[in-house]
Amino acid sequence: ETGVTQSPTHLIKTRGQQVTLRCSSQSGHNTVSWYQQALGQGPQFIFQYYREEENGRGNFPPRFSGLQFPNYSSELNVNALELDDSALYLCASSRRLAGDNEQFFGPGTRLTVL
Amino acid sequence: DAKTTQPPSMDCAEGRAANLPCNHSTISGNEYVYWYRQIHSQGPQYIIHGLKNNETNEMASLIITEDRKSSTLILPHATLRDTAVYYCIVRAMEYGNKLVFGAGTILRVKS
Repeated sequence: ETGVTQSPTHLIKTRGQQVTLRCSSQSGHNTVSWYQQALGQGPQFIFQYYREEENGRGNFPPRFSGLQFPNYSSELNVNALELDDSALYLCASSRRLAGDNEQFFGPGTRLTVL
Repeated sequence: DAKTTQPPSMDCAEGRAANLPCNHSTISGNEYVYWYRQIHSQGPQYIIHGLKNNETNEMASLIITEDRKSSTLILPHATLRDTAVYYCIVRAMEYGNKLVFGAGTILRVKS
């Protein structure tokens, strides 16, 4: 148990729909990162939030967006869902933006797009 | 971030030491070596990290060669619960917490 929680655990959507995934960071952590993990591959960095602002983004289109709230929890929103968006979505929190510190991952949300 | 190379899979007998290698020949002086593992259908779990000295914690030991071009993660007494995908990641601290995952090594611990 890392103290990072994600909801929902599983989700099924159809193409073109929109989805919101949620993440609660570990107590004392102010940085949240989101990753997408397709089946059989390693996680791919989507973006990172620090003190409610996006700080760094991977190679993902603008239909992937996020928010971080004053309590450091975060949301990942995906618009116009495509079949290839089916994946495990992971969030990770850490104590600060950079430096010698580790990230703690949540259990993930399994998204299936039909 | 520097690229890492790991074998796709390894087997280890239960109770024996598991030695997982990682090559990172293009590592820069300010980049750390991190190890994470991912047990099936769970989020990745931090194991250990180091810069140039060998490191040990309650989970594992990390041996980094003197030239820092390769490292080995050692699980001293592997158990069936250590079966997982192990990721070796190289990261520069000042560039934020983004982790660049490769394909990792599938470690199978067998009884």
